[in-house]
Amino acid sequence: QVQLQESGPGLVKPSETLSLTCTVSGGSISSYYWSWIRQPAGKGLEWIGRIYSSGSTNFNPSLESRVTMSLDTSKNQFSLRLSSVTAADTAVYYCARDGYRSGYYALDYWGQGTLVTVSS
Amino acid sequence: DIQMTQSPSSLSASVGDRVTITCRASQSISTYLHWYQQKPGKAPKLLIFAASTLQSGVPSRFSGSGSGTDFTLTISSLQPDDFTTYYCQQSYSYPRTFGPGTKVDIK
Repeated sequence: QVQLQESGPGLVKPSETLSLTCTVSGGSISSYYWSWIRQPAGKGLEWIGRIYSSGSTNFNPSLESRVTMSLDTSKNQFSLRLSSVTAADTAVYYCARDGYRSGYYALDYWGQGTLVTVSS
Repeated sequence: DIQMTQSPSSLSASVGDRVTITCRASQSISTYLHWYQQKPGKAPKLLIFAASTLQSGVPSRFSGSGSGTDFTLTISSLQPDDFTTYYCQQSYSYPRTFGPGTKVDIK
């Protein structure tokens, strides 16, 4: 059973960089796409972007100028960095696997989510 | 970006009711449409992918249909565990986008 776990600071100051890591267990990070999604309190889901095990990426244009994603296959981890954060970036951040099945990509395994608050 | 809408935004129903939630895309997305269930404080869970294929382990009372721009999620007989929020999501193009959600609560 694939499991994902987000980790990183729960509090980030405005204008600084948010950094989160997702550790994958129960399966290899190789040959899959891995995604980040966020959800402000009481609101809907926003797709941030995804990274393939080769390192290729797709980002949401609304965030692309501030987003970096990377992965470490030796640790079975992938990471998100979001720069120049503001209070609008306060949200629960989820990592997820973008699984390929029958020609479709769908988010089939998710981490439990981690709350990141942007505040001084 | 492809805009996803859902209707209704919320509904009240009773155990055993048949419930239908609609999702509409702002342009044709073929069957690149997926449904998720999210319980309070938890991550979303994939229910249906490719508009109508049930994810492994999901009860058969859940079903999906549609193609192009209009899609439905149906729960044939609502169970106590089903009172929560449902989201649709398109994977036809980038950025991936989600509907705003439909909350199903107890009448």
